[in-house]
Amino acid sequence: AQRVTQPEKLLSVFKGAPVELKCNYSYSGSPELFWYVQYSRQRLQLLLRHISRESIKGFTADLNKGETSFHLKKPFAQEEDSAMYYCALRGMDTGRRALTFGSGTRLQVQP
Amino acid sequence: DTGVSQDPRHKITKRGQNVTFRCDPISEHNRLYWYRQTLGQGPEFLTYFQNEAQLEKSRLLSDRFSAERPKGSFSTLEIQRTEQGDSAMYLCASSQRTSGGVADTQYFGPGTRLTVL
Repeated sequence: AQRVTQPEKLLSVFKGAPVELKCNYSYSGSPELFWYVQYSRQRLQLLLRHISRESIKGFTADLNKGETSFHLKKPFAQEEDSAMYYCALRGMDTGRRALTFGSGTRLQVQP
Repeated sequence: DTGVSQDPRHKITKRGQNVTFRCDPISEHNRLYWYRQTLGQGPEFLTYFQNEAQLEKSRLLSDRFSAERPKGSFSTLEIQRTEQGDSAMYLCASSQRTSGGVADTQYFGPGTRLTVL
């Protein structure tokens, strides 16, 4: 079975502070991990995926298979980063296309 | 707007009624997904189509739920004999098949919010 856990429902930081949104997963096979973001009144959209190993809008995330984690980090938060963030997983070795999402973390960046 | 579209955006119905939602994917995308999202939770997978073939179904998709994609373009999700527990946001997503086993990017629609009274 696949499970994604985002332990924080709300994370509030001040502008310029570092941000770390936690994501832990449970999956026995080979996982593919994603971060999706939903800004206010907008649709859910892909932020980044671990395979790409890229930085998007200053955010990075590293897959740690030993700790089964895929935390999202940004060194200096901006007010426009305020949004709902969802971590998601797909089993690469299953051939299935379905994504399993966590329950999400709301990031509030205060001025 | 060339993104995924869903209709209606909001639906209020009485318990026991049938409802149908429509999803129009991005035109060149051959994969289409339905998810359900309840308050305070992330999206939960319901079903997936590649072209007109329904290839995956979640156990969440009870007998009262049926999805179709008859011509491999738009899709419909029907809920029969609605229950209050069906109240949720129903999300549609589409993607284009890629090679190499890497997951293609799923592009989400705005959702249809269903309220069952």
